[in-house]
Amino acid sequence: EVQLVESGGDLVQPGGSLRLSCAASGFTFSSHWMHWVRQAPGQGLVWVSHISGDGSNTRYADSVKGRFTISRDNGKNTLYLQMNSLRAEDTAVYYCARDSSAWFDPWGQGTLVTVSS
Amino acid sequence: EIVMTQSPATLSVSPGERATLSCRASQSISSNLAWYQQKPGQAPRLLIYAASTRATGIPARFSGSGSGTEFTLTISSLQSEDFAVYYCQQYYNWPKTFGQGTKVEIK
Repeated sequence: EVQLVESGGDLVQPGGSLRLSCAASGFTFSSHWMHWVRQAPGQGLVWVSHISGDGSNTRYADSVKGRFTISRDNGKNTLYLQMNSLRAEDTAVYYCARDSSAWFDPWGQGTLVTVSS
Repeated sequence: EIVMTQSPATLSVSPGERATLSCRASQSISSNLAWYQQKPGQAPRLLIYAASTRATGIPARFSGSGSGTEFTLTISSLQSEDFAVYYCQQYYNWPKTFGQGTKVEIK
């Protein structure tokens, strides 16, 4: 069974840092681009970042560029999102998702990041 | 960036009735469109890709149509488990943007 499990979400103060993880299983992790998508409370889905299968190609939404870093460890089948200089507007559930021929399938269950003093 | 606009924001439908959801792209995206379903407290689930192809395990009451800039998701006979929020997403180019969602609620 293809599965994605996020972890690392927490309450953090503005200006703080956090690293999210997404453990993948049931498929050849290194063969797939991977994405992070976030959803603020009561809001819609917003794409955050993606990374190619070998990790050589990354891209970010303008809202997180320069503050967030996506990476992966194909030996551990794990995707990461390092989040620095966090702001209140970064408060959201963060989902990882597999890129399946361009659409996103499946998605992890999400991990909640709350930025507040 | 391609802007995806969904309508209506909320759709009130009785069980057993037909629901029609719309999604419009700010420029042509050919058939590079997916639909997702999200229930409260759950992750999104892929329903439709390539505008009209049902994902594995998706019931036949869900159908997608359209190309270019206008797309439709139709649920032919709403079941209790179909009340949820539905998002469209274009994957024609980066970033792969989502619509703001349509909430399908019980009438």
